[in-house]
Amino acid sequence: DGGITQSPKYLFRKEGQNVTLSCEQNLNHDAMYWYRQDPGQGLRLIYYSQIVNDFQKGDIAEGYSVSREKKESFPLTVTSAQKNPTAFYLCASNALTGGENIQYFGAGTRLSVL
Amino acid sequence: QKEVEQNSGPLSVPEGAIASLNCTYSDRGSQSFFWYRQYSGKSPELIMFIYSNGDKEDGRFTAQLNKASQYVSLLIRDSQPSDSATYLCAVNGGGGSNYKLTFGKGTLLTVNP
Repeated sequence: DGGITQSPKYLFRKEGQNVTLSCEQNLNHDAMYWYRQDPGQGLRLIYYSQIVNDFQKGDIAEGYSVSREKKESFPLTVTSAQKNPTAFYLCASNALTGGENIQYFGAGTRLSVL
Repeated sequence: QKEVEQNSGPLSVPEGAIASLNCTYSDRGSQSFFWYRQYSGKSPELIMFIYSNGDKEDGRFTAQLNKASQYVSLLIRDSQPSDSATYLCAVNGGGGSNYKLTFGKGTLLTVNP
């Protein structure tokens, strides 16, 4: 069953705590992305990666960090420097060669602050 | 700053009517255009994509693209209550940024039985 798996579905962060959101894909896609969505807003790009061991900042990277040690995995860490982390976080992936360059999304992680 | 603009709505149509959703974009180099549907509390799912000027039809959905006017639209014929959702327009970056998407804020569509 191919797809993008995000975990956990819900996550709570305490003040000063770093938390890590998981994103795994078995679609053999090259590129992976992290977006943040606030209520009534579109998706804003946090980080993206086109290849293993390489990633670039998106539009709102401050307070976040990522790694891409494996093609299948692109975890996002929300650090204590992110002062307003409450949001819906979406991971996406797409194949960069061939196909229609379409991004597909995981089910998302909803992060709240305790 | 690349921008994608959509009317936030809500757009309310009766069941069986045609719903028309509109989107404008600022980057003239954009090549690919996508419509995603997002139900409340869920992640976006792809409805349609279009690359060439003109119309593209898929079942009850028609995407229309006019690159000269930097305008893309989505028509939903015979609207159903199950079509009630937020519709996100996404546009890829031109040139070397063609793997990145810029999203509009979405249009909330309500189909009334």
